[in-house]
Amino acid sequence: SAVISQKPSRDICQRGTSLTIQCQVDSQVTMMFWYRQQPGQSLTLIATANQGSEATYESGFVIDKFPISRPNLTFSTLTVSNMSPEDSSIYLCSVDELTDRGGTEAFFGQGTRLTVV
Amino acid sequence: AQRVTQPEKLLSVFKGAPVELKCNYSYSGSPELFWYVQYSRQRLQLLLRHISRESIKGFTADLNKGETSFHLKKPFAQEEDSAMYYCALSGSGGSYIPTFGRGTSLIVHP
Repeated sequence: SAVISQKPSRDICQRGTSLTIQCQVDSQVTMMFWYRQQPGQSLTLIATANQGSEATYESGFVIDKFPISRPNLTFSTLTVSNMSPEDSSIYLCSVDELTDRGGTEAFFGQGTRLTVV
Repeated sequence: AQRVTQPEKLLSVFKGAPVELKCNYSYSGSPELFWYVQYSRQRLQLLLRHISRESIKGFTADLNKGETSFHLKKPFAQEEDSAMYYCALSGSGGSYIPTFGRGTSLIVHP
């Protein structure tokens, strides 16, 4: 099973600034995922980060606001840019590993709790 | 499009009572269904998946394709079961980006 280290675990930021969240995996993975977890709402996929190519963003999320880096198969960063209070949320890094039937199991970092003031 | 619906945001029961957390899905192919759990101050982690047909911590979930449901059940809830539970779906055959429900917060009172 994959072990994911995510940092920072929490931060309080001023509006208009940017925060970069780091995600380190203990094994090489093709795809890494970034989610947002808002209170009372489902996990919302922000983007899929592939090594060597641009990230694929879901509807409602854009690269200018959430630039992502994926320099190698074990590391990714998500930046929340020009933050506003509406960006306050928990951000999660995740990877999938194959199960015994060709499906996958998701593994998660511990999350980054972001508060924008 | 794949979708996962958890109708209950909050489920509150007393210790020893039966628990059922509901999950319905929509998916055109053959899905893989999962339940993930997040205990207080811990990371989200897999609880069980339908293909394993296993019981974890007393919880079971049966995939009902006719009703497109994957409800999570436990006959006797324990206080330590209090957590956030997410139902998730991923497509088989390579389309495996999971879709999560909004989560159900289970509170088990002593």
